[in-house]
This record gives sequence, C-alpha cells and structure tokens, in this order.
Amino acid sequence: AQKVTQAQTEISVVEKEDVTLDCVYETRDTTYYLFWYKQPPSGELVFLIRRNSFDEQNEISGRYSWNFQKSTSSFNFTITASQVVDSAVYFCALSGTNSGNTPLVFGKGTRLSVIA
Amino acid sequence: DGGITQSPKYLFRKEGQNVTLSCEQNLNHDAMYWYRQDPGQGLRLIYYSQIVNDFQKGDIAEGYSVSREKKESFPLTVTSAQKNPTAFYLCASSIGVSRVADGELFFGEGSRLTVL
Repeated sequence: AQKVTQAQTEISVVEKEDVTLDCVYETRDTTYYLFWYKQPPSGELVFLIRRNSFDEQNEISGRYSWNFQKSTSSFNFTITASQVVDSAVYFCALSGTNSGNTPLVFGKGTRLSVIA
Repeated sequence: DGGITQSPKYLFRKEGQNVTLSCEQNLNHDAMYWYRQDPGQGLRLIYYSQIVNDFQKGDIAEGYSVSREKKESFPLTVTSAQKNPTAFYLCASSIGVSRVADGELFFGEGSRLTVL
C-alpha cells in the first residue's frame, strides 16, 4: 500500500518568512514518483514538481526548493521569502510503478496562510 | 485554450436524487480521473479511466458510477446510494496512467456538490 503523510494541517507565517512543508511517504515500490501540487482558493490544483526515486538531487526553482531524502522517505518543500500569493493548500502525492503505474495517492494537504 | 472543463461549478440536490457531473478535456489525454475532496481529507480517488470504454474503481467508488464513451469526456454520476455526497469533486487528466513519468495531472476547477 502507498501512503503520503503531511503532518502539518495548517501553517501561518508572516510575509518574507521562510516556510517548510513536510511530506513523508510509504511505498514498497523500488521505482516511484513524487509530486507537489498547489491549490489556490480557485480550487484548481496546479502542478509544481515531479521527482523520480532515482534522482535525489535537491531542486530549486525561484523561491521554491525541494529536499528529497530517500533515507527518511521525505520530500519536503520550502518556500523562501514567502508572499501573500503563496497562500494555498499544498498537496504532496506519490505514484508507484512496480505493478504498473498507479494513479496518484495524495496526502491530506497543508494549508499555508501568509500574512502581510 | 487547452484544458479541462468541469460543470456545473456549484450544484445542489435533494436527498435521493442522482446527479451527473460533467468533465471534458481537449488535451488529447488518454487517462482521466475523478477525485473527491473533503475538508481535512485530501484528495481521494473515485474512478479512473485509462482508455475509452474502460475504467477502474478507485478507493471510494461505492455510490458512484462513470462512463467513458469518448476520449474527451468522463462524466461522474453521484447516485442516491452515496451516503455522504456533499463534497468538492475534481476531475483530472494525464497523458496516461502508465506514463506518469511523462506528464503530470491536469485538473479542472472542480464542482461543489451540496445535498440539501
């Protein structure tokens, strides 16, 4: 069975603070893909990043960065110098491949509020 | 513009009534999905379809039905058998379930169903 745990239900930060959203996953597959999605108030989920299990390099995209650590089964997401527009619900997701690719399994999401 | 269109955006129904949510995509994607979102529960998979005239149950298929007669369309019917249908429903598509490495999920803006 595959599982994604986002232990932080809600986080509030003041604008310009850095914030890290945690994601811990469980899978028996040796090859898998991890994702982060953003859900703004409009409701539509927006893709942020996809990472495969063989690539443990951290990635940075502007103010966003991702830290993938297989040893701890974590795929954490950091927003540097947060802005009000970052306020949204963020979802971490997982898809395994050993038994054929499976639809994404999502965590319960973390609601981030950035206060001006 | 390419994308996924869900309708209606808001829907009210009386208990005991069936209701059908529409999902259309013009991305030429093979795979389509229906997820249900409840507060604090994240996204849970209802049904998915990898190809026309074929679909599989997800984690919470009871009380729902789908059809995939055309590549572009994947309507979801919430039947009277669904005990707690009030929720936010999200439709998504991807190049293919078996090719999750090739592309992320694209989501519609969702349909909010309220049972009175």
